[in-house]
Amino acid sequence: AQKVTQAQTEISVVEKEDVTLDCVYETRDTTYYLFWYKQPPSGELVFLIRRNSFDEQNEISGRYSWNFQKSTSSFNFTITASQVVDSAVYFCALTNHLKTSYDKVIFGPGTSLSVIP
Amino acid sequence: DVKVTQSSRYLVKRTGEKVFLECVQDMDHENMFWYRQDPGLGLRLIYFSYDVKMKEKGDIPEGYSVSREKKERFSLILESASTNQTSMYLCASSLTWGQTQETQYFGPGTRLLVL
Repeated sequence: AQKVTQAQTEISVVEKEDVTLDCVYETRDTTYYLFWYKQPPSGELVFLIRRNSFDEQNEISGRYSWNFQKSTSSFNFTITASQVVDSAVYFCALTNHLKTSYDKVIFGPGTSLSVIP
Repeated sequence: DVKVTQSSRYLVKRTGEKVFLECVQDMDHENMFWYRQDPGLGLRLIYFSYDVKMKEKGDIPEGYSVSREKKERFSLILESASTNQTSMYLCASSLTWGQTQETQYFGPGTRLLVL
């Protein structure tokens, strides 16, 4: 069975601190995609990144970076020098790479990040 | 940029009313999805559609139906709204690209309150 765990329910940091959001997944698929989405208070889920299971290179985009480790089934997300605008709920998600039939996206429960000025 | 729009951000309805939630995407995506999001339960898939006039049940289809008459539009219908359908409803769409799953892009959501 596929599962995504985000053990941190809520995190509070002071502005300019770095923060890492943890994501651990379970799957029997050999190829899969992992995603991160951001949901600000307005409600829309904003796509941040998609990572293919056979590409374990870490990725950096501005203040955001992602650490994918297949050996520990983790896909952690780090925000450097956090800002108030980073306050949101962040979801990690997993799906099969191949659409042989519809394989739904499995979302984690989300981590609520509050960045305090 | 992918644009997914939903007809209402906030909606208040009475128990027993028929409710239509509309979703439109402008990127010619084949696949469209309806989710509901509730505290403690996360995102749950209600229905999805691979193509015009096609629909598939998700995890929680009871009490809902859908309609996809045009590729860009996917409607969620609550035939007789009940208080337990008070929720945040999120629409998403994705492209079909060969045999791989593609990224789902979400609309702004509709917060529905059923009184």
